[in-house]
Amino acid sequence: QVQLQESGPGLVKPSETLSLTCTVSGGSISSSSYYWGWVRQPPGKGLEWVGTVYYNGNTYYNPSLKSRVTVSIDTSKNQFSLKLSSVTAADTAVFYCARHWSGSVFDPWGPGTLVTVSS
Amino acid sequence: QTVVTQEASLSVSPGGTVTLTCGLSSGSVSTSYYPSWYQQTPGQAPRTLIYNTNTRSSGVPDRFSGSILGNKAALTITGAQANDESDYYCALYMGSGISVFGGGTKLTVV
Repeated sequence: QVQLQESGPGLVKPSETLSLTCTVSGGSISSSSYYWGWVRQPPGKGLEWVGTVYYNGNTYYNPSLKSRVTVSIDTSKNQFSLKLSSVTAADTAVFYCARHWSGSVFDPWGPGTLVTVSS
Repeated sequence: QTVVTQEASLSVSPGGTVTLTCGLSSGSVSTSYYPSWYQQTPGQAPRTLIYNTNTRSSGVPDRFSGSILGNKAALTITGAQANDESDYYCALYMGSGISVFGGGTKLTVV
C-alpha cells in the first residue's frame, strides 16, 4: 500500500525558508487519480491545510499562506516538496504530507515531522 | 473567509451514542462539500474515518457513520468505547482546490 515519509530540517531560523520533502513508496506519484498535499499542526492546535500539488505540477494553496508557500513535485524521484518562506515562530508545527483526493480526503498520511522556528 | 465550525468538546458514556457536527460560519454544508472526518490521538498522525459524507475508510468499524444533519455534516459514534477518546476533525472542500479543516472536537469517554 502507499506510504509517505516526510524529511527535512527540524530547526529553521526566523525569516528563513522551511523546506520539506515527502517520499512516496508503494505507488506512483504520477497517477492522475490523486493529488499530494501538506497539512500542518502547531503544538496543541488543530490541523491546517497548507497546499496541494497534482502530478502535472498544478498547485493549490491555502489563501492565508499563498504568498509564502510553494509546493512542487518530482515524478522521477516519486517525491513532492514544500517550501515556506519568511518563517516566524508561529510557523512552528508538525508538518504532515498526505495523498489528497476526492475533494477533502487526506489519506494515507505520513507520520509527520516537527519543524521548530527558532534562532 | 468562511470558517468551518466544530464543537470544542463533547463527552459520551461508554456504550453511548454521540454526534459530532461540522458546520459553516456562513451557509449550509451539503454533500457538495465532500465532508471527511479524521480521528487523532496524541502524538499520532490523523486517521481517516469517513469521506464523501458517509463512506467509511478501510478498517473503520461500522460504529462510526457520517451523514448530513440539517445544515451540517455529522459524525455519529454508537456504542462508544474508551479508545474512542480522541480529537476529531472534519474537512470540507470549498472548491477551486481549497480544503479547510474544522477546529476539532475533543471527545471524552466517561
